[in-house]
Amino acid sequence: AQSVTQLDSQVPVFEEAPVELRCNYSSSVSVYLFWYVQYPNQGLQLLLKYLSGSTLVKGINGFEAEFNKSQTSFHLRKPSVHISDTAEYFCAVSRTGTASKLTFGTGTRLQVTL
Amino acid sequence: GAVVSQHPSWVICKSGTSVKIECRSLDFQATTMFWYRQFPKQSLMLMATSNEGSKATYEQGVEKDKFLINHASLTLSTLTVTSAHPEDSSFYICSGGGETYEQYFGPGTRLTVT
Repeated sequence: AQSVTQLDSQVPVFEEAPVELRCNYSSSVSVYLFWYVQYPNQGLQLLLKYLSGSTLVKGINGFEAEFNKSQTSFHLRKPSVHISDTAEYFCAVSRTGTASKLTFGTGTRLQVTL
Repeated sequence: GAVVSQHPSWVICKSGTSVKIECRSLDFQATTMFWYRQFPKQSLMLMATSNEGSKATYEQGVEKDKFLINHASLTLSTLTVTSAHPEDSSFYICSGGGETYEQYFGPGTRLTVT
């Protein structure tokens, strides 16, 4: 079984400041790692994913994440946030292979203010 | 990217009635579909996994007789909430997976039971 921990339930940040959203996972098997964003009353949009290869992955909207196997982490970063980045962010893992169920973290609310 | 639609986007029903939610993959064949439930300000919890033509596999604690899932074709899965009660009010999200690892999420359906 897999589990995901997002330590920060809320992260307030000023516009144009950098941000890091933390994600740690636990699994006894190889996993894929994902970050999703959810805007109010909407479904999930994939930001980025780690499947294999380079540990630094770049996604949409200027986000990137780094897979650290030794620390079992997959933190999400953005060097300069915008008001429009205000949303809920979910880290998720799934077993490698074909489509398998995702295990989500509890989410981090990113609140960007002027 | 692949598109998944859900219908309706918002439904209000009276306690004791049943409501059906449709999930369609518009431009790919979803061999596997997942149904998630999300309470306000909480993460997504997997309810069940369904493969086309097979019975759904329900997660522990999910009542299969209450949440009926049908995956009759590669592009359509339905979730029927039977004898709905106010505690079933939630945001229901489906996702579809094809031959690869990736899942594509629908926009969600908000169910309110009065």
